[in-house]
Amino acid sequence: SQTIHQWPATLVQPVGSPLSLECTVEGTSNPNLYWYRQAAGRGLQLLFYSVGIGQISSEVPQNLSASRPQDRQFILSSKKLLLSDSGFYLCAWRLNTGTLYEQYFGPGTRLTVT
Amino acid sequence: QKEVEQNSGPLSVPEGAIASLNCTYSDRGSQSFFWYRQYSGKSPELIMFIYSNGDKEDGRFTAQLNKASQYVSLLIRDSQPSDSATYLCAVGRPTSGTYKYIFGTGTRLKVLA
Repeated sequence: SQTIHQWPATLVQPVGSPLSLECTVEGTSNPNLYWYRQAAGRGLQLLFYSVGIGQISSEVPQNLSASRPQDRQFILSSKKLLLSDSGFYLCAWRLNTGTLYEQYFGPGTRLTVT
Repeated sequence: QKEVEQNSGPLSVPEGAIASLNCTYSDRGSQSFFWYRQYSGKSPELIMFIYSNGDKEDGRFTAQLNKASQYVSLLIRDSQPSDSATYLCAVGRPTSGTYKYIFGTGTRLKVLA
């Protein structure tokens, strides 16, 4: 069975500091990977998605970037955090098939920028 | 108009009753439809998905899809206090060689003991 991990679980960072959040998936190959942000009291906003190593698509131009250095690893980064970057960051995956569309989320990272 | 709309609630139902959660979507190109349950402070958990018009049942949950009306619903029978959570509706569609999902803002359900 597949498992998705995210770390750290919680993070408190000062404004202007860098950020690196990591997501890994076990038990599958070549998954589609996604980064979402959920701000307090708001819906899920798709930030980035990836269909393979080194392939990143950005949904919303902003202070963040993503990378996929390995097949089952997805990293979300920032060089300088803003207060508005605070939120619940969720990594998700789905099988890379044409007929299965279910998407599953990791446990999330709660980021507070102070 | 939001792409996926849900009533934010809270929807309060007594224990043992049927909870009915509704969702509408605007893009007729949407192909797949999902319900996630999210407890406070936790990540969303997939509880139901439906791809074809009609009903799909899984235990106490029934998902209903009407593509002509662009409407998806989730019924929870014999509601329990443990069902109290926010329920997110999501629609999926193919794009740029992958699949993208648009989420509603969720309906908060309270099951009263």
